[in-house]
Amino acid sequence: DAGVIQSPRHEVTEMGQEVTLRCKPISGHNSLFWYRQTMMRGLELLIYFNNNVPIDDSGMPEDRFSAKMPNASFSTLKIQPSEPRDSAVYFCASLSSRALLGIVFGQGTRLTVV
Amino acid sequence: AQSVTQPDIHITVSEGASLELRCNYSYGATPYLFWYVQSPGQGLQLLLKYFSGDTLVQGIKGFEAEFKRSQSSFNLRKPSVHWSDAAEYFCAAGGDSSYKLIFGSGTRLLVRP
Repeated sequence: DAGVIQSPRHEVTEMGQEVTLRCKPISGHNSLFWYRQTMMRGLELLIYFNNNVPIDDSGMPEDRFSAKMPNASFSTLKIQPSEPRDSAVYFCASLSSRALLGIVFGQGTRLTVV
Repeated sequence: AQSVTQPDIHITVSEGASLELRCNYSYGATPYLFWYVQSPGQGLQLLLKYFSGDTLVQGIKGFEAEFKRSQSSFNLRKPSVHWSDAAEYFCAAGGDSSYKLIFGSGTRLLVRP
């Protein structure tokens, strides 16, 4: 299995632009997570999907952030408009209901908003 | 409030020396406990996990961790550290609805030649 695949690995964008991060979870995993990692705040759960349905989005920082999961093999995290304080590493992770809670992380997207 | 504390921000050990990384948790019940490792520029990789049963769990890369209920601890150990172990280590806790893992702030391990 190729693991959780995220794209792009690095993104540099100007303040005010729209940014879309993409994720392909592990095939057969029915839960998907978006995390954000910063030096100041560590790892934060932004949103959790189960069977493509958003279950908990309480970690989404504000309305500029949105996430979708149109099917079991694809999810996006969109920031519009982006701000410098959104600069962070964004991780997608997935989990199988049979894997007894072993969340598998992607390699992350390093976002820099200038 | 639920929390995971890793009291050591940085730890430096010599190659070949033993290692112990500390993790304490505050949780309403006995949580599921995890250790992840993050190498520079990489995602988090699961080292080991504890759900129940034997309180000493073995993981990948020669790591082990011991759950101590009385101390609310889940410390990670390795008898002999290799230079390739230099990374950041995260302890995490979750419950029945454990999709919402609570992560510690991480401990950065430096390995001295």
